[in-house]
Amino acid sequence: QSVLTQPPSVSGAPGQRVTISCTGSNSNIGEGYDVHWYQQFPGKAPKFLIYGNSNRPSGVPDRFSGSKSGTSASLAITGLQAEDEADYYCQSYDSSLSGVVFGGGTKLTVL
Amino acid sequence: EVHLVESGGGLVQPGRSLRLSCEGSGFTFDDFAMHWVRQAPGKGLEWVSGIGWNSINIDYADSVKGRFTTSRDNAKNSLYLQMNSLRPEDTALYYCTKQTLGDEPQGYQGLDVWGQGTTVTVSS
Repeated sequence: QSVLTQPPSVSGAPGQRVTISCTGSNSNIGEGYDVHWYQQFPGKAPKFLIYGNSNRPSGVPDRFSGSKSGTSASLAITGLQAEDEADYYCQSYDSSLSGVVFGGGTKLTVL
Repeated sequence: EVHLVESGGGLVQPGRSLRLSCEGSGFTFDDFAMHWVRQAPGKGLEWVSGIGWNSINIDYADSVKGRFTTSRDNAKNSLYLQMNSLRPEDTALYYCTKQTLGDEPQGYQGLDVWGQGTTVTVSS
């Protein structure tokens, strides 16, 4: 059971918008700690996708955006493309555990 | 270009030890805290440990505390993970990662560079 809760899977048609939620608690996201997002293709290492809740590293398309509110965060992908099909993970810090915590991951399927 | 390359994985019996290594290049190694993250087969990401630039501050996940030891040699741009008393549940792909900002382990920072990982299999 992950400290941060993500839906196991989401799907969308090409061109559509999808969102992936990341729900935490008052000891992590709700305490004000930043949320970061990673994209992982099968057999590959995770790629840094969103940092500090809503910032994109250089080279990440602006189709990807992040937000945070209260004890939750969200990753939105607009103009969905087949190449976006991957696993997505959120990450934050938990003060009760005194450590980095990840969500369980969400598999995005492009229909 | 920034790179991290792990090595040292393999098949090991329960209760035995293994030492993983990670060599960084393309950045000033001792300017950043470094972390180990693992991924069991078919599962999600699990943070293992983080270490500051001078090895004074080192954090561990409860699941490995007392069994794993993280260290670094800045002169060699290298990070290490000594794994003792290995258990089958330690079977995973182990990633070396670079903290985005800061030279002390700060779990609220992101991890912007990842190696390709090295596989550890604990089985009799």
